[in-house]
Amino acid sequence: SQQGEEDPQALSIQEGENATMNCSYKTSINNLQWYRQNSGRGLVHLILIRSNEREKHSGRLRVTLDTSKKSSSLLITASRAADTASYFCATDALYTGTASKLTFGTGTRLQVTL
Amino acid sequence: SQTIHQWPATLVQPVGSPLSLECTVEGTSNPNLYWYRQAAGRGLQLLFYSVGIGQISSEVPQNLSASRPQDRQFILSSKKLLLSDSGFYLCAWSRTGPYEQCFGPGTRLTVT
Repeated sequence: SQQGEEDPQALSIQEGENATMNCSYKTSINNLQWYRQNSGRGLVHLILIRSNEREKHSGRLRVTLDTSKKSSSLLITASRAADTASYFCATDALYTGTASKLTFGTGTRLQVTL
Repeated sequence: SQTIHQWPATLVQPVGSPLSLECTVEGTSNPNLYWYRQAAGRGLQLLFYSVGIGQISSEVPQNLSASRPQDRQFILSSKKLLLSDSGFYLCAWSRTGPYEQCFGPGTRLTVT
């Protein structure tokens, strides 16, 4: 089953506005990651936030993590048309192996119009 | 720098035919390798992962299998495709441990 669930499923904003996407999950995690996917393409890693971190920034991206509520948010500030894509959160569950077993949500489709 | 390749980019196969999708990674050694499937408009589902040559872990029971004959080569196979095998297949690699994954461009498989 999908552990991460993004909200909203779709978001349409104008260029220059901020976009906020939320993700909820169910089990304990090592970290939570956000990825971007342009239509029909592979995923691109945006940011990783570890379970002991609360906030992280990367350029125009700001990610928060609340492990008590099992939720995360991705904020894209001053959006651009080129930000149009689907955004996925992925949780890396706690386990003893050496692989990174990500569970992806269903994604938020972001449309940024001029 | 590291790069990941997948081929073919698109594939149309009849039901009951075999499948072989290949993924190779350059610029790193002993990567963790992953196969995902993405249904239309959905998130990714982890199918297989490998932490070393010949070491394959399956996440979901299905009609597919994976192999890792070389350190940087990961192959997804099926002996007989089903209609439900249609989807977008993505290969990814990561360093050992809880790190981000780097994805290939994907293969869109349509089973007819």
